[in-house]
Amino acid sequence: DQQVKQNSPSLSVQEGRISILNCDYTNSMFDYFLWYKKYPAEGPTFLISISSIKDKNEDGRFTVFLNKSAKHLSLHIVPSQPGDSAVYFCASRSHGGSQGNLIFGKGTKLSVKP
Amino acid sequence: DSGVTQTPKHLITATGQRVTLRCSPRSGDLSVYWYQQSLDQGLQFLIQYYNGEERAKGNILERFSAQQFPDLHSELNLSSLELGDSALYFCASSVDESGFREQFFGPGTRLTVL
Repeated sequence: DQQVKQNSPSLSVQEGRISILNCDYTNSMFDYFLWYKKYPAEGPTFLISISSIKDKNEDGRFTVFLNKSAKHLSLHIVPSQPGDSAVYFCASRSHGGSQGNLIFGKGTKLSVKP
Repeated sequence: DSGVTQTPKHLITATGQRVTLRCSPRSGDLSVYWYQQSLDQGLQFLIQYYNGEERAKGNILERFSAQQFPDLHSELNLSSLELGDSALYFCASSVDESGFREQFFGPGTRLTVL
């Protein structure tokens, strides 16, 4: 049973517009959430994170929103650029259990068209 | 460049064989994590080592084993290989034991079992 779900395998957006990537989780013990970006033939790279005590975290063009009651988070990229085209993974972890290992979603492939 | 190196980049072998994947963490990082990414799957946590000791275990098969050496590099051993073991194997490292600090990923080893 998937604890972290990214229901959209792909997303296509025009350059300059907003990209919204969504992620749902089932485990209420998760208290920290991360987004990773992955280019082909490279490992995932950390993008942005949010603690469960917050509902928003912003870093430049990237903003992550957390809705704990809905167990939902989203990544907003504004404005989107062609270089943002990559696979985006949502990841979560809980303070207890297996400590710091990350639980990943299956990823959403973002294509930003010029 | 994350500073995490993995060798080899590609590995092609036959069913029933045994292979060893190698990972060198970032300078100063004491934790090493292994993840498996199968086709159309998110990254699945396999195992974590911290300063030479096993720290956390995830969905790692009994046919798989890992170790971390005194120089902190790690090896993942996969034996009695099956077709379903074909996947990307990522190594990540972090400075802390708990895994709550950012994990830096290597470029991965693509294993193909024929």
